[in-house]
Amino acid sequence: DTAVSQTPKYLVTQMGNDKSIKCEQNLGHDTMYWYKQDSKKFLKIMFSYNNKELIINETVPNRFSPKSPDKAHLNLHINSLELGDSAVYFCASSRTSGNNEQFFGPGTRLTVL
Amino acid sequence: SQQGEEDPQALSIQEGENATMNCSYKTSINNLQWYRQNSGRGLVHLILIRSNEREKHSGRLRVTLDTSKKSSSLLITASRAADTASYFCATGASGAGSYQLTFGKGTKLSVIP
Repeated sequence: DTAVSQTPKYLVTQMGNDKSIKCEQNLGHDTMYWYKQDSKKFLKIMFSYNNKELIINETVPNRFSPKSPDKAHLNLHINSLELGDSAVYFCASSRTSGNNEQFFGPGTRLTVL
Repeated sequence: SQQGEEDPQALSIQEGENATMNCSYKTSINNLQWYRQNSGRGLVHLILIRSNEREKHSGRLRVTLDTSKKSSSLLITASRAADTASYFCATGASGAGSYQLTFGKGTKLSVIP
């Protein structure tokens, strides 16, 4: 009965490759997010989708492209991976895009070699 | 940026003692939230306090908010070894038609049995 799930949990890949991380929530929430947590544990918002529409797009390289096929899924595709992309990526969801708590997935640890 | 800044960065206490963590931020907020992150896991929401509230309790947690000083504190009473984790404050605010949570860098709490 996992609320927010991400796959894969670990991802090790070479520089220049393209990879995707999938996220699904079964909470019936309207809003989903992608965050990046660096090695110093700093958590930064990347994207936010509300009912499959992009509402937040922080300064992220356009190699990162989120895709929301329906409001329960928000996938993250990364092209031409770079060493600096190594981090833990968290998906989250909330009931609406307003003042609500967010529910986080377990994270995907991406290592670019 | 209205990024929250937690203080201290790290805190080590004995089981049974109280732990206090502080958070400061820079601009107006709708609410402030505290999250816990166990090592290698996703963030878990602990408590949300709205900008018109001054204090909130949840079990062994007590959160205060002083909007005049732009600061909040999280008190964990009678700490347990299981409370060992990183604690993050996150400020919630609306801007440019969207609502966004901005996280601080966290306080790493170690509770020694």
